Amino acid sequence: DTAVSQTPKYLVTQMGNDKSIKCEQNLGHDTMYWYKQDSKKFLKIMFSYNNKELIINETVPNRFSPKSPDKAHLNLHINSLELGDSAVYFCASSHGQGARETQYFGPGTRLLVL
Amino acid sequence: KQEVTQIPAALSVPEGENLVLNCSFTDSAIYNLQWFRQDPGKGLTSLLLIQSSQREQTSGRLNASLDKSSGRSTLYIAASQPGDSATYLCAVPSGGYQKVTFGTGTKLQVIP
Repeated sequence: DTAVSQTPKYLVTQMGNDKSIKCEQNLGHDTMYWYKQDSKKFLKIMFSYNNKELIINETVPNRFSPKSPDKAHLNLHINSLELGDSAVYFCASSHGQGARETQYFGPGTRLLVL
Repeated sequence: KQEVTQIPAALSVPEGENLVLNCSFTDSAIYNLQWFRQDPGKGLTSLLLIQSSQREQTSGRLNASLDKSSGRSTLYIAASQPGDSATYLCAVPSGGYQKVTFGTGTKLQVIP
């Protein structure tokens, strides 16, 4: 039933580790996104994929690498985790490309780097 | 660069009161504006999407207005209920409409 799902929901890890977050949508949407919400609750776009093609890549450290194996999945791999990476990461999807359509959000992955 | 501001950052009202949340944006050349709700520890839920050609959009007790020329939108909540307690965010397209820029949110508490 879940439209946009993310795993894991919580992730606690040590600095320097590599971790992945997975996202899946069953809405048949063409576009998927990764957002980061910091401790001040500010939500900012990181990446966007349309039909498995990267269309938005904000000024994100190259330690962050998104991968879209198919239209329904967009995963986020983070290398050499740093304390400042602690945040809530949200996946979202929309029918069309860009900001013309309503975006549907996943429940978020709460990452804590110790 | 599009900047989106929401004032106030927090609002506390007694149950039953009508209230207005404000959203301001710097680049008025927008395609649409969206209002979202975020419950604690949860993702965002889309409430209303108002197109640039529209002045208002309504859903139940919610009414969103858009004034592009002044760079403002308001979200009106009628007869507020404790279940309305959440953070409300507005979002507008930016960067050639490939992405949205979110406001900082207004945290609403409705007191029973």
